[in-house]
Amino acid sequence: NAGVTQTPKFRILKIGQSMTLQCTQDMNHNYMYWYRQDPGMGLKLIYYSVGAGITDKGEVPNGYNVSRSTTEDFPLRLELAAPSQTSVYFCASSYSDKGGNQPQHFGDGTRLSIL
Amino acid sequence: AQKITQTQPGMFVQEKEAVTLDCTYDTSDPSYGLFWYKQPSSGEMIFLIYQGSYDQQNATEGRYSLNFQKARKSANLVISASQLGDSAMYFCAMREVNTNAGKSTFGDGTTLTVKP
Repeated sequence: NAGVTQTPKFRILKIGQSMTLQCTQDMNHNYMYWYRQDPGMGLKLIYYSVGAGITDKGEVPNGYNVSRSTTEDFPLRLELAAPSQTSVYFCASSYSDKGGNQPQHFGDGTRLSIL
Repeated sequence: AQKITQTQPGMFVQEKEAVTLDCTYDTSDPSYGLFWYKQPSSGEMIFLIYQGSYDQQNATEGRYSLNFQKARKSANLVISASQLGDSAMYFCAMREVNTNAGKSTFGDGTTLTVKP
């Protein structure tokens, strides 16, 4: 069972470069999320999506963009990478959650360094 | 205001003893869910346990139980009979059903170290 798959696992970027972090899930989850985790800290929500074609900002969206053209895929785009974006990025998904009781399933994370 | 507060950056426990990890939350939404996740040093996030705001009983999953005190807005995780493999970072999270549909808020985590 694949679950939530993130690629790449590691990446080093130069300041000003762009890249896309890929995330795909095979559980037919409607909800998908992108978080960043800085060292020793909790998760900060970057963007989320409640279904194909619908995305919304989280608490730290600046410098990032997302799209959700299919249920399975939710790529995160970094434009003009900055050192402040050095972090571990997690993608997560869950079932539609009218009752607030659905746990999130996480990918293994992407470690991104901006030098 | 911080929605999820975990006041213990680090905790130590002796193997086979029980340990309580604290979590307090802040919400005006009457309908919400509380979750605990474990993050080992390998980095993955593992769902442990869930408690709904309308649940009458405390949730339990194996050695994990959630001490839910609604009036005090606390949702502490209790790990019984600690094992060396329990050493990890633990995160408390909340999902508000009506006010922030679809989004979860995470605390800053507690690092638990189990001593042999």
